[in-house]
Amino acid sequence: QSALTQPRSVSGSPGQSVTISCTGTSSDVGGYNYVSWYQQHPGKAPKLMIYDVSKRPSGVPDRFSGSKSGNTASLTISGLQAEDEADYYCCSYAGSYSWVFGGGTKLTVL
Amino acid sequence: EVQLVESGGGLVQPGGSLRLSCAASGFTFSSYAMHWVRQAPGKGLEYVSAISSNGGSTYYANSVKGRFTISRDNSKNTLYLQMGSLRAEDMAVYYCAREGDIGSFDYWGQGTLVTVSS
Repeated sequence: QSALTQPRSVSGSPGQSVTISCTGTSSDVGGYNYVSWYQQHPGKAPKLMIYDVSKRPSGVPDRFSGSKSGNTASLTISGLQAEDEADYYCCSYAGSYSWVFGGGTKLTVL
Repeated sequence: EVQLVESGGGLVQPGGSLRLSCAASGFTFSSYAMHWVRQAPGKGLEYVSAISSNGGSTYYANSVKGRFTISRDNSKNTLYLQMGSLRAEDMAVYYCAREGDIGSFDYWGQGTLVTVSS
């Protein structure tokens, strides 16, 4: 399984919106509505932010939203806040009880 | 409160073996599939292995297939990862994670560091 493709880094100013893309293939992102997104602060465990493409777990601010078109999923963070600065990873189910992660995107809040 | 606590990491020589454990609490362990995900120093997340709720189905990434074995003891609420023929590229923090909704990992442990070096 090849890793999903994410931009290495994105940035935005407080209050702005940013979108992180996650490109896979028809065998993973495009084939299933099981894309999830994780936030990871330095030295911490990943935290689930979005699952099933666009659902938010309880406690995750509605500033975080997810979508998918074809083989590309996206995470949008609106109203950027300083605490959003972190690494973000997408993950997709890839069939036959297998999963694949993206390479990760570093979000910098300017 | 859901808790996952990994243990068993440490320093091991290339070619050596190590068994990681993940003690679960705060939920009905036997009802959930469980996973191992690793992160090499300064690198991204890499999916390693999965096991179904009853242990009947398992999955391994190609990078560890034939060298690692995932298992679970539902009577002890514990997940395991037996790692063998360890290589330098296996050096990473290993996280256990609970599979909530299909394909998503809703709770993660704090991780345990495996260092492979002579």
